[in-house]
Amino acid sequence: AQKVTQAQTEISVVEKEDVTLDCVYETRDTTYYLFWYKQPPSGELVFLIRRNSFDEQNEISGRYSWNFQKSTSSFNFTITASQVVDSAVYFCALSEGPQGAQKLVFGQGTRLTINP
Amino acid sequence: NAGVMQNPRHLVRRRGQEARLRCSPMKGHSHVYWYRQLPEEGLKFMVYLQKENIIDESGMPKERFSAEFPKEGPSILRIQQVVRGDSAAYFCASSGRTAYQETQYFGPGTRLLVL
Repeated sequence: AQKVTQAQTEISVVEKEDVTLDCVYETRDTTYYLFWYKQPPSGELVFLIRRNSFDEQNEISGRYSWNFQKSTSSFNFTITASQVVDSAVYFCALSEGPQGAQKLVFGQGTRLTINP
Repeated sequence: NAGVMQNPRHLVRRRGQEARLRCSPMKGHSHVYWYRQLPEEGLKFMVYLQKENIIDESGMPKERFSAEFPKEGPSILRIQQVVRGDSAAYFCASSGRTAYQETQYFGPGTRLLVL
């Protein structure tokens, strides 16, 4: 069965610190996709990134970067020079392979608080 | 370019009443998904629909819950005879025509409170 584990329930750091959110997944599929979504206090879900299982290149987008390692089944998310606006709950998610039903399996989320 | 629309944003019902949640997918999207987020929990898949078809309802509770996505109009998630345990945020997501591992974009959610 597919599973996504975000072991860090809550993280609190001071502004400008770097912070890494961990995500570990389990799947039997050879083709799968991984996602990160952000849920700010206003409650909506904001898409951040999508990565397929054949692309292990790390990605950087401004202050955000993602490290995908198939060997450890991890897809970690780092925020550099954190800002108060980064405070949110962050969800990692996994979707099934090509024959799957496209549903997303979410981790429990990590609540990130950036203190001024 | 309008995103996924959901209404109402907040819905209050008394036990035993019916709740109807509506979702209009992003323009050009024909695949709709419903997820439920219980308090302090992650999101759980409920159902995946295409126009006039339910593709996967493996996450739907067996009773009282139903979903549709008619040829015209929004997708509807219907909860009959609501109970307090149905209080949650219900999110709709949509993806493009091919749906094959396309990104799902989420609406703002409907917060259902059952009194």
